[in-house]
Amino acid sequence: NAGVTQTPKFQVLKTGQSMTLQCAQDMNHEYMSWYRQDPGMGLRLIHYSVGAGITDQGEVPNGYNVSRSTTEDFPLRLLSAAPSQTSVYFCASRPSSGNTIYFGEGSWLTVV
Amino acid sequence: SQQGEEDPQALSIQEGENATMNCSYKTSINNLQWYRQNSGRGLVHLILIRSNEREKHSGRLRVTLDTSKKSSSLLITASRAADTASYFCATAGGSNYKLTFGKGTLLTVNP
Repeated sequence: NAGVTQTPKFQVLKTGQSMTLQCAQDMNHEYMSWYRQDPGMGLRLIHYSVGAGITDQGEVPNGYNVSRSTTEDFPLRLLSAAPSQTSVYFCASRPSSGNTIYFGEGSWLTVV
Repeated sequence: SQQGEEDPQALSIQEGENATMNCSYKTSINNLQWYRQNSGRGLVHLILIRSNEREKHSGRLRVTLDTSKKSSSLLITASRAADTASYFCATAGGSNYKLTFGKGTLLTVNP
């Protein structure tokens, strides 16, 4: 059972570079979201989607872009990486009929 | 801003002891959930309690909810070394797909 799959696991970027964190889920969940986790800050919601073609901003959306062309995929794009975006990123999904969120294993991003 | 705030930030106990973690939140909720995160891993759902429930059990876990005080507690009984992890509470308000997480409690269970 794959669940929520994130790639890459680790990435180092230079300031100003762009990249995409990939997220895919095979559970046919309508809801998907991206969180970032920083020491002492817990998890903060970046962007979320309630279905294909629908996205919205969370608590900390600046510097990030998302799209949801299919139910399965929800990529997170960093447009111009900054050191402040050094963090651990988690993708998550949930069925529309349930409350439990399923998390990926995380992507560790360092911006130098 | 964070909705849930866990207390304590860190807790160290001996194997076999009980561990209690608390969570306070600010606004009205539909439900409150607890998640566990092992070091370097993603979060795993433990238990959900709805706003009209006061107590819920799942195995060695017991969760209470006091909506008048806007607080919840997670009790892990007869702790094991494998329970060592960070524990987060998360609240869901009107839009259930937007969970708001606290900063977590780091539990260390010493063998």
